[in-house]
Amino acid sequence: DQQVKQNSPSLSVQEGRISILNCDYTNSMFDYFLWYKKYPAEGPTFLISISSIKDKNEDGRFTVFLNKSAKHLSLHIVPSQPGDSAVYFCAARYNFNKFYFGSGTKLNVKP
Amino acid sequence: DAGITQSPRHKVTETGTPVTLRCHQTENHRYMYWYRQDPGHGLRLIHYSYGVKDTDKGEVSDGYSVSRSKTEDFLLTLESATSSQTSVYFCAISEERTALSGNTIYFGEGSWLTVV
Repeated sequence: DQQVKQNSPSLSVQEGRISILNCDYTNSMFDYFLWYKKYPAEGPTFLISISSIKDKNEDGRFTVFLNKSAKHLSLHIVPSQPGDSAVYFCAARYNFNKFYFGSGTKLNVKP
Repeated sequence: DAGITQSPRHKVTETGTPVTLRCHQTENHRYMYWYRQDPGHGLRLIHYSYGVKDTDKGEVSDGYSVSRSKTEDFLLTLESATSSQTSVYFCAISEERTALSGNTIYFGEGSWLTVV
């Protein structure tokens, strides 16, 4: 049973608008959360992360929000750009060095 | 970019044959991982290593074995390949962290394996 879930396989957004990608998890022992971006035929690359003791982390156009009570995190991209079109994976860390990933959301940013 | 090299990058093999994928890192990170990526399943952990000769199973370890005889190398072996093991395999590495300090997992470029 997947412990990290991304329930939206795809998302389409107009350039310049906000993209919101969502992720849910079931294990309350996860202590660190990450988002990765993946282009076709490449390995995933790290985007942004957040510790479980925080509820928000911002890096440029990217913001990650964590709601521990709901076991939910989200990635906001503002403004969205065509180059942001990729598959986005959320990940959760367990026991310091074991990482579980969601199934991914394919973002398409339309010019 | 993290110094992770996977080989081979592409391979076609027949059902029932053994296959070994190699991951080599130049970062001297303690932890190494093998994931597979499949449509609808995302990235699933096969096996990971927390040091030389120290390995443990992940979510989908059946049919796979691993070995780590040196810090820099982590091998994934399919003893008898099956069509269900057709996938993209990613090696990853991470540094050791404790408590709530963050660490990042870095991925290689992937190995495309087709079992016919």
